[in-house]
Amino acid sequence: EAGVVQSPRYKIIEKKQPVAFWCNPISGHNTLYWYLQNLGQGPELLIRYENEEAVDDSQLPKDRFSAERLKGVDSTLKIQPAELGDSAVYLCASSHDRDTGELFFGEGSRLTVL
Amino acid sequence: AQSVTQLGSHVSVSEGALVLLRCNYSSSVPPYLFWYVQYPNQGLQLLLKYTSAATLVKGINGFEAEFKKSETSFHLTKPSAHMSDAAEYFCAVSKASYDKVIFGPGTSLSVIP
Repeated sequence: EAGVVQSPRYKIIEKKQPVAFWCNPISGHNTLYWYLQNLGQGPELLIRYENEEAVDDSQLPKDRFSAERLKGVDSTLKIQPAELGDSAVYLCASSHDRDTGELFFGEGSRLTVL
Repeated sequence: AQSVTQLGSHVSVSEGALVLLRCNYSSSVPPYLFWYVQYPNQGLQLLLKYTSAATLVKGINGFEAEFKKSETSFHLTKPSAHMSDAAEYFCAVSKASYDKVIFGPGTSLSVIP
């Protein structure tokens, strides 16, 4: 079974440029999460989807961040325009087993904003 | 609001020694508790989870954790450290299986030969 796939793994951009990250969850997983992980810190939730509905986006900075999960499968997270402080790892996770809450993570997309 | 604290951002142990990583949580309801491990340049993977069954939970790679409600703790232990255990460890809490998971700041474990 394929795991959570994210791309790109690494991205270097200049500030004020746009950037997008893509995530394909494990097949059959209806819940998808985007987390932000700063260096030396734990992941912080940006947005959580149940199928195609964003059920928790309270921590998503909506002035520059947007996300979509149009068909309830893969998802895209966009930043426009990027700022220096956005340099971090963006993690995607998915889950299906509602009885255990276990999250399955991708390898992450590391963003560097110059 | 739920939160997780991990005492010690960095822990060093000798190979073969006991590993003890501390986690304390705050939650208004009986929580779901997790330990995840992250190896360099990889995503997080689940070590073990507590979901209101047995208070002593056994996970992968010889790790285990004990839920102590009176101390609001969920410390992670392993009797004998191996070099391959060197990684970042995150404690996490959730109010329910379908609720968001909140992570602690992490503890970096180094194993000295």
